[in-house]
Amino acid sequence: DAGVTQSPTHLIKTRGQHVTLRCSPISGHKSVSWYQQVLGQGPQFIFQYYEKEERGRGNFPDRFSARQFPNYSSELNVNALLLGDSALYLCASSVWAGNTEAFFGQGTRLTVV
Amino acid sequence: QQQVKQSPQSLIVQKGGISIINCAYENTAFDYFPWYQQFPGKGPALLIAIRPDVSEKKEGRFTISFNKSAKQFSLHIMDSQPGDSATYFCAATYNNAGNMLTFGGGTRLMVKP
Repeated sequence: DAGVTQSPTHLIKTRGQHVTLRCSPISGHKSVSWYQQVLGQGPQFIFQYYEKEERGRGNFPDRFSARQFPNYSSELNVNALLLGDSALYLCASSVWAGNTEAFFGQGTRLTVV
Repeated sequence: QQQVKQSPQSLIVQKGGISIINCAYENTAFDYFPWYQQFPGKGPALLIAIRPDVSEKKEGRFTISFNKSAKQFSLHIMDSQPGDSATYFCAATYNNAGNMLTFGGGTRLMVKP
């Protein structure tokens, strides 16, 4: 069975640009969460989606947005990129929003120059 | 506000020894405490998890000890092996939050042959 897949794996962007990251959850999983992991730190929660609705949002600026599609895949969008947005962006899926067993993808490494 | 504090930041253990990583939490609403293992370039992988109604959970060489009154929990890795060398994260969430996890800062474990 395929696990959580994220694309692209690596990305280099310039300050001020926009980026879209994609996530496909495990088949049968309807909830997706996004995390930012800065080098040397633990992942920080950004968004949780379930059945295409935002269920939770972490302490991130409005430059960060996300959405979930009818097939339960998800996109994370970041506008007006800053150098400090450089991080590993992780997607996690679970069967439903209240299910605590979360499975992570390999992440997208974003570098802002 | 860091709601889950993890220590130590790094740990070096001889092969066959016991690795111990500690975490403390503040939010008494947390009721699910997973540990994740992360290898370089990979996403976190769920290792073992515990709920506060038990004081200890063991799976193979991995044991979680939980002290509800002290709001602390720890991971013990028995008979540590070089293949256990990775970064370990404790996390916490509560039932309705599901995969909205609050992570500790991580512990980089090195097991020397």
